[in-house]
Amino acid sequence: AQKVTQAQTEISVVEKEDVTLDCVYETRDTTYYLFWYKQPPSGELVFLIRRNSFDEQNEISGRYSWNFQKSTSSFNFTITASQVVDSAVYFCALSGSSGGYQKVTFGIGTKLQVIP
Amino acid sequence: DTGVSQDPRHKITKRGQNVTFRCDPISEHNRLYWYRQTLGQGPEFLTYFQNEAQLEKSRLLSDRFSAERPKGSFSTLEIQRTEQGDSAMYLCASSHGTVIGTDTQYFGPGTRLTVL
Repeated sequence: AQKVTQAQTEISVVEKEDVTLDCVYETRDTTYYLFWYKQPPSGELVFLIRRNSFDEQNEISGRYSWNFQKSTSSFNFTITASQVVDSAVYFCALSGSSGGYQKVTFGIGTKLQVIP
Repeated sequence: DTGVSQDPRHKITKRGQNVTFRCDPISEHNRLYWYRQTLGQGPEFLTYFQNEAQLEKSRLLSDRFSAERPKGSFSTLEIQRTEQGDSAMYLCASSHGTVIGTDTQYFGPGTRLTVL
């Protein structure tokens, strides 16, 4: 069985602060993919990043960065210099070979509020 | 390049009525997915199609639910004899994949169903 845990249900930060969203996953698959999606108040899930289990390189995209650590089964997401437009619910997700890769398991999400 | 579209965006119905939702994937995407998202939770996988073939169904998809993708393009999700527990956001996603596991799912805006 696959499981994604996002222990932080809600986070509030003041604009320009850095914030890290935690994600811990469980899977028995040796090959799997990890994702982050953003869900703004409009409701549409926006794809942010996909990493496969064999690539532990950290990734940076503008103000966003991701830290993948297989040893701790974590895939954390950091927003640097947060902005009000970053306010949304962020989901970490996982798909693996046992689910045919098509069945994506999502965490319950972390609601981020950036206060101006 | 237009994204995934869903119709209607909102549906209010009385318990016991049938409802049908439509999803139009990104053009040329061969895979299409349905998820359900209840308040405060992450999306839960319901079913997916590769072209017109329905390849996997979750146990969440009871006998009252049926999904089709007759020509491998748009898809419909029908719920018969709706119950209050069916109230949720129904999300559609699509992806283009030639090799298992390499595709990313892109989501539509969802259809919010309220059963009175």
